[in-house]
This record gives sequence, C-alpha cells and structure tokens, in this order.
Amino acid sequence: DAGVIQSPRHEVTEMGQEVTLRCKPISGHDYLFWYRQTMMRGLELLIYFNNNVPIDDSGMPEDRFSAKMPNASFSTLKIQPSEPRDSAVYFCASRARDRVIDTIYFGEGSWLTVV
Amino acid sequence: DAKTTQPPSMDCAEGRAANLPCNHSTISGNEYVYWYRQIHSQGPQYIIHGLKNNETNEMASLIITEDRKSSTLILPHATLRDTAVYYCIVRAGRRDDKIIFGKGTRLHILP
Repeated sequence: DAGVIQSPRHEVTEMGQEVTLRCKPISGHDYLFWYRQTMMRGLELLIYFNNNVPIDDSGMPEDRFSAKMPNASFSTLKIQPSEPRDSAVYFCASRARDRVIDTIYFGEGSWLTVV
Repeated sequence: DAKTTQPPSMDCAEGRAANLPCNHSTISGNEYVYWYRQIHSQGPQYIIHGLKNNETNEMASLIITEDRKSSTLILPHATLRDTAVYYCIVRAGRRDDKIIFGKGTRLHILP
C-alpha cells in the first residue's frame, strides 16, 4: 500500500508569494492531520479533519494559513502571503480510527523555505 | 501541553540496550502510553503502545511501572539506524483524536 503522499517535497519561494502544499492520505483513512516542524517550536499540530470536515484548527498560526479537504483522497494547506518565518517542514498524516493499532502515519514532509 | 517529561538527549553504545525513560505522573486511568520515533528528515513512526501491561513487538519493549506514572522504552540491541528523536505521548486511545508531540529524547547511538 502507498503511504501518505505529499507534494512538493521541497519548495523555495519569495516572501509574499502564495504556497500550496498537497497531501494524499492513505486510502481508507478517515482522519487527516497537518503538522509543522521547526527547530524552535518542534512538531506542532496545525489542523485535523475527520471525514473531510475540519475538526480543530486551533493550531493554525494566523489567517494567512488555510486548509481544505475537498474529498477523502486530497487535502491542501495554503499560505498566502508567505513570510520567512513560515519556513519549516510541513507534515501530513492520516489515521484509520477502527484499525487494531490506532496510530497515525506520516508522509515524508514538504520542506518550505521562504526567502 | 505535552503530558510527559523526557530527557532531552541520551547516548548509547552500538549493540547495547537503549533504555529511554518517560515520566507521565498525571496519566489518567483510560490513557495509553505511545512511543514514536523520528529519524532525521522523515516523519515520525509508530513504535509501540501500552496501557498498564508490559508490551513487546519486533521493534522494542515497553515497560510501564505499576503506578503507571513512568515508563521505559527498551531497544534491546541498538544499531546506528536507531539514532533518532524518540517521543513519548499519552493519549486516551481511540477517544483522543489528536496526537500532541513534546520535545522528545534525541538518542545518539555511538559506534
């Protein structure tokens, strides 16, 4: 089975530009999570969805960040406009609540640099 | 608001057992202890979890004290590939949707 797939793997963009990160969860998983990781703040939960519906977005840093999940196999995290402090690794993860081992599976991350 | 305390870093000689401690003194009766690890440049990976009994799988063993206020993850024969950050997390099983990561322990395996 394919794991969680994220794109792009690496992106370098200029301050003020719009950034869109994409995620395809594992087929059959009903939860999707977006995390951000920096050296200073560690691994932070930004938002998560259940059955395509946003459940908790309290970790989204500000209005410049938005996330959508239009269907069970696709989600986006958008930053508009981007700022240098948004430079981080953004991880997408998915979970199937009814499996024997209830855990989440992470993608390989999207490495974002805003200059 | 991580509910666990871990040492920031540890060293272990290759081939020896790595014992990673975790304190969770405020754990509730319905909360499980989960362990994940993050190898450099990758997303975190599930290792093992337990409620009150000791657990073992192909990756590691988990020892939970009788009062459940602390636990130890044991990697029986550490290799260089076990160099990673190890996260101890407390959550109420399936009823707890969110998984919140703390700072973890950076484990260095020494050749």
